Amino acid sequence: SYVLTQPPSVSVAPGQTARITCGGNNIGSKSVHWYQQKPGQAPVLVVYDDSDRPSGIPERFSGSNSGNTATLTISRVEAGDEADYYCQVWDSSSDHFYVFGTGTKVTVL
Amino acid sequence: EVQLVESGGGLVQPGGSLRLSCAASGFTFSSYSMNWVRQAPGKGLEWVSYISSSSSTIYYADSVKGRFTISRDNAKNSLYLQMNSLRAEDTAVYYCARKCIGTTYFDYWGQGTLVTVSS
Repeated sequence: SYVLTQPPSVSVAPGQTARITCGGNNIGSKSVHWYQQKPGQAPVLVVYDDSDRPSGIPERFSGSNSGNTATLTISRVEAGDEADYYCQVWDSSSDHFYVFGTGTKVTVL
Repeated sequence: EVQLVESGGGLVQPGGSLRLSCAASGFTFSSYSMNWVRQAPGKGLEWVSYISSSSSTIYYADSVKGRFTISRDNAKNSLYLQMNSLRAEDTAVYYCARKCIGTTYFDYWGQGTLVTVSS
C-alpha cells in the first residue's frame, strides 16, 4: 500500500516560517492535499491540488510538490496555526484509496 | 451553509453492531460522493469507506471490508455506516466527509461521532 511519511513534530517561533514535509514514492506525480486539525475539531482543508487554497484560507499557507516530497509552508506563523497537519493523496493501487500522511504537530513557541 | 452532522456513536461490546448516520444540509447531497474517515484516540486519520453520488460505486479500506457497509438515502440527505463484528481497534471518532466533485479531496467534514468498542 502507498505510504505517506511526515515528521511527527515541527516547532516554529511566531513570525517565522514552518515547513512540513510529506514523503511518498513519486508523490510528485499525484495531487496532494493538506488538512489542518485543531484539538477536538474536525479537519479543515487548507491546500488542495498541491498548491491551491480554498476560499477563506490565508495566503500564508502554500504548498509545493515534486519528486518524492510534498511540502506545506506556513509563512509568518501565528499562535492560531498551532495544530496537527495531514497530507493526503488518492492512490487506486492502495488498500486505502484515500491515503493520509502520518501527521505533523506544529508547535508555536 | 454546508453542514454535516454525524450521530449514532456510543459504547458497544466487541462483536457488536452500530449504525452511524450523517445528516447533510446546505448543498445538493445527491450530486456528491461521500466518505467515512475515522481517527483513533491520539492517532492519525484513516479513510474507511467511499460511496458515489448514485451509490453505484462503493469502496472500503481492507481493515473494515466485510464488516462495514456504507449506504445513502438521497431523498433523506443522509449517509450511513453499518458496522458489524466490531473490534477494539475500531474505537475512533468517525467523520463523514464530502468529496469535492471531480477531485480527490474532502472539502467539508462533520464534527464526528465517537465509537467505543469495549467490554
